Amino acid sequence: SAVISQKPSRDICQRGTSLTIQCQVDSQVTMMFWYRQQPGQSLTLIATANQGSEATYESGFVIDKFPISRPNLTFSTLTVSNMSPEDSSIYLCSGWTSGYNEQFFGPGTRLTVL
Amino acid sequence: QKEVEQNSGPLSVPEGAIASLNCTYSDRGSQSFFWYRQYSGKSPELIMSIYSNGDKEDGRFTAQLNKASQYVSLLIRDSQPSDSATYLCAVNRGLSGGSNYKLTFGKGTLLTVNP
Repeated sequence: SAVISQKPSRDICQRGTSLTIQCQVDSQVTMMFWYRQQPGQSLTLIATANQGSEATYESGFVIDKFPISRPNLTFSTLTVSNMSPEDSSIYLCSGWTSGYNEQFFGPGTRLTVL
Repeated sequence: QKEVEQNSGPLSVPEGAIASLNCTYSDRGSQSFFWYRQYSGKSPELIMSIYSNGDKEDGRFTAQLNKASQYVSLLIRDSQPSDSATYLCAVNRGLSGGSNYKLTFGKGTLLTVNP
């Protein structure tokens, strides 16, 4: 499977600010996804990052709050905008390759909003 | 809303015992089933995938799938303290869920293996 890296690994931010998280895959993947894992909870899919076009968002998530880019097959960014303490969470990038039908995850970004 | 339910846990077993983790799902269109292991503070790691009814074995791990009962399980034989982690069941959504490569995760079962 491909290796996924994320930057930053963690951050502490003030409410009202925005943070952009970067996700880099070491080889091409068919699909890239962004998840949120709130404390003590499971993973919730935020959106599918589409190369060269607007991301596809899941119910409850909107582009204005979580703008996503994917300029090529190995890189994507997620921005958490106008943050509030409720956005404190781990944000995970994942990749899926059709040939293997397996989804694998980056190390995550632990975000704390004060 | 398609759901994935896991036994609530936490589950505690002695070293060397068999740990049994269970999962049920609601989407009959689901075709792919996965077990992820997540150590505290780490990201999920895929440990098993299963697509057909029956058992699939990989080392000390056995995944079992029963599509008629919408049930998938994970058995860990000869449990080791290093197996202590949260185990997440994940199920693909099926075409009715928008796309069959999207996963729905259960809340996870915390397993503790006591030396």
